[in-house]
Amino acid sequence: SQQGEEDPQALSIQEGENATMNCSYKTSINNLQWYRQNSGRGLVHLILIRSNEREKHSGRLRVTLDTSKKSSSLLITASRAADTASYFCATDNNNDMRFGAGTRLTVKP
Amino acid sequence: DTAVSQTPKYLVTQMGNDKSIKCEQNLGHDTMYWYKQDSKKFLKIMFSYNNKELIINETVPNRFSPKSPDKAHLNLHINSLELGDSAVYFCASSPRGGGSVYGYTFGSGTRLTVV
Repeated sequence: SQQGEEDPQALSIQEGENATMNCSYKTSINNLQWYRQNSGRGLVHLILIRSNEREKHSGRLRVTLDTSKKSSSLLITASRAADTASYFCATDNNNDMRFGAGTRLTVKP
Repeated sequence: DTAVSQTPKYLVTQMGNDKSIKCEQNLGHDTMYWYKQDSKKFLKIMFSYNNKELIINETVPNRFSPKSPDKAHLNLHINSLELGDSAVYFCASSPRGGGSVYGYTFGSGTRLTVV
């Protein structure tokens, strides 16, 4: 069964703008992860945030986690055309990882 | 050098056939998974094995049978293929506990088309 809901389903922005994607989930978690999937390719791990963390940064990525609201957000700053892909959040509870439906991000040059 | 490799990359077969997809990881991870991605891009977990032991077995038709000969391999066998089995199947692995900063490592996927 799906764990999370992602919002928006699709997002289109201009290069240089910031992109924010949101994820909500239903059950308890050990950690939450974000993945990127380019069209026709496999999933690439971007960042992991543990349940006792509130914010994490990695390069142009910023992830927040609010366990009281069971929600997370992924911010990509200064987007590039190469960021065009689908982004999935995934909740992990003791080696049981469930994915959200994904956000399709298009960055226009 | 490929961390999680699955074969074949593409598989086209007729309804009713039996087929297998193989997966191998060289990361030393304890846990391996099969996920199915449908045409709407939803990713659903099918099975997970921890050191050859079945841990997760979602509501999957019993035509699907995973087999783990050792902790580095998790193969997926599908009997009596149906049109609805057409999807992309991803193998993945993770360390015990799953919460490595590197997350799960995915294979590049097997696109199965049943005709």
